[in-house]
Amino acid sequence: DAGVIQSPRHEVTEMGQEVTLRCKPISGHNSLFWYRQTMMRGLELLIYFNNNVPIDDSGMPEDRFSAKMPNASFSTLKIQPSEPRDSAVYFCASSNRVDNSPLHFGNGTRLTVT
Amino acid sequence: DAKTTQPNSMESNEEEPVHLPCNHSTISGTDYIHWYRQLPSQGPEYVIHGLTSNVNNRMASLAIAEDRKSSTLILHRATLRDAAVYYCILRVVSGFGNEKLTFGTGTRLTIIP
Repeated sequence: DAGVIQSPRHEVTEMGQEVTLRCKPISGHNSLFWYRQTMMRGLELLIYFNNNVPIDDSGMPEDRFSAKMPNASFSTLKIQPSEPRDSAVYFCASSNRVDNSPLHFGNGTRLTVT
Repeated sequence: DAKTTQPNSMESNEEEPVHLPCNHSTISGTDYIHWYRQLPSQGPEYVIHGLTSNVNNRMASLAIAEDRKSSTLILHRATLRDAAVYYCILRVVSGFGNEKLTFGTGTRLTIIP
């Protein structure tokens, strides 16, 4: 079990650039979650998918953010255009679609927008 | 989402038991109590969960009050590796599969050597 794999681990970009964060969930898991963590706001849920379908995207801050899950083994979170206030650690997590199945988190992508 | 209240920080001596409290006075009958922890520079990690009865696993024990308005995570013998932020979360199970976990601010646990 390789765990949830996120890439890149670190991303530094300039304001206005497009940023794409990637996530590979654990094989066999069919729920996927994107979280963002900052010192000011803590861990915030951005969006989650069940069986590749977005269920709740109410946490996505604005239209600059978009997430896709084209298949069960891959998801992306895109920010276009990026802004300095988007600087944060972005976590992806996956779980089995069984009641109360634990979430397994990746090690996150630290995004810095200058 | 039903809210939980935890102390901002706690300290404990190494090799002693640690009791981390959580209040959830507005818990509903279908809310499960989940605990996660986050070690420095890592993503959160599942610790334990329960509904009404006390629960034990290899990491910790969860003691749930009879009225379910509070719970306590028990680390039986703290080590330096247990230093982390511990989150107590109420999770609704809707019958449609997994629902979201809403994290609060948690308790930062410091272990004193």
